[in-house]
Amino acid sequence: ELKVEQNPLFLSMQEGKNYTIYCNYSTTSDRLYWYRQDPGKSLESLFVLLSNGAVKQEGRLMASLDTKARLSTLHITAAVHDLSATYFCAVVLYRSARQLTFGSGTQLTVLP
Amino acid sequence: DTGVSQNPRHKITKRGQNVTFRCDPISEHNRLYWYRQTLGQGPEFLTYFQNEAQLEKSRLLSDRFSAERPKGSFSTLEIQRTEQGDSAMYLCASSASVTSYNEQFFGPGTRLTVL
Repeated sequence: ELKVEQNPLFLSMQEGKNYTIYCNYSTTSDRLYWYRQDPGKSLESLFVLLSNGAVKQEGRLMASLDTKARLSTLHITAAVHDLSATYFCAVVLYRSARQLTFGSGTQLTVLP
Repeated sequence: DTGVSQNPRHKITKRGQNVTFRCDPISEHNRLYWYRQTLGQGPEFLTYFQNEAQLEKSRLLSDRFSAERPKGSFSTLEIQRTEQGDSAMYLCASSASVTSYNEQFFGPGTRLTVL
């Protein structure tokens, strides 16, 4: 059974600071996704990571994937209030077209 | 709007009643997924369609739940004899098999409250 663990679950940080969210998963996978969810809203796709060593950046967010370590990171640079949201990583089984297995999410609050 | 749409957005029902939700995927997407999300948790997979065929169902999908995608376009999720434990956000997502990475795009969800 594929398990996905994120940490931390809650993150409170000040504007301008940097921080990293970690996502570990238990079995072989070749794709990892990061989503953002605002309170009461649906999920917005942020990144799709397809291969070992993949790195993608969008604004103040950068995601990376290490398939050998079964680890992905979401790095936040110089946080701003607008980044406050819950961030989920999700994984599919290797070469599967099927369901995503999500982590529990990291609730990020950026304080002024 | 070319995104995934879901109706209704909110549903309040009494325990024991039946409810039905609808999902309209992105028009060129042949894969459709249903997930359930409870407060403070990540979404959990319920079922998956490729075109009109339901290819996978989660153990979470009890006999009271049924999903259809009759013409390979929109899908419905019905819950019979609702229980308070069914209260959750029901999310629909779609993806296209022509891409190699199967990125799933989510709809706004239907929030179900069972009283």
